[in-house]
Amino acid sequence: AQSVTQLGSHVSVSEGALVLLRCNYSSSVPPYLFWYVQYPNQGLQLLLKYTSAATLVKGINGFEAEFKKSETSFHLTKPSAHMSDAAEYFCAVSGNTGFQKLVFGTGTRLLVSP
Amino acid sequence: GAGVSQSPSNKVTEKGKDVELRCDPISGHTALYWYRQSLGQGLEFLIYFQGNSAPDKSGLPSDRFSAERTGGSVSTLTIQRTQQEDSAVYLCASSSSGGAGANVLTFGAGSRLTVL
Repeated sequence: AQSVTQLGSHVSVSEGALVLLRCNYSSSVPPYLFWYVQYPNQGLQLLLKYTSAATLVKGINGFEAEFKKSETSFHLTKPSAHMSDAAEYFCAVSGNTGFQKLVFGTGTRLLVSP
Repeated sequence: GAGVSQSPSNKVTEKGKDVELRCDPISGHTALYWYRQSLGQGLEFLIYFQGNSAPDKSGLPSDRFSAERTGGSVSTLTIQRTQQEDSAVYLCASSSSGGAGANVLTFGAGSRLTVL
């Protein structure tokens, strides 16, 4: 079974500051890990994914995440926040063999102030 | 189609009525998922179809909820005798088979259900 925990339902940063959104996972098998983003009044879209090729994964809009097996973490970062990054971010996990359902976290809303 | 299409986009119904929500996945995507998004609850997994395999229904919250997928394409989520707690956005997603596309979900815009 898989699950993810996102620490902090809301994260506030100033424009230009570092963005750090935390995700810890639990999985009985080697996982695939994902970050999805939901902009206001829009559907969810894939930000980046880890599928065991490389532990540091780069996604769209300057975001990246690092898979740390020892810490069971997959935190999302961006060096410098932009106002357009304000959105809700969801971490998700699945098993790494064949088709497996994606289990999502409860989401973290990122607020960016000028 | 070009994307995942869901209908209706909005549905307001009275408590006790049945509702049907439709999802038309991306052509060729063999996996189809239904999730429910409620305020402050994140995305709750409901059901998952993959090809001709038996669906994973482990997330359906009660026997009032059912879903089917006809011909490996269009899916319908049915909620019988709706309750106010069923009010939520119901999201459908699909993914392709194997390789880099496996488990990468493309979401529809959702069907917002309001039960009065």
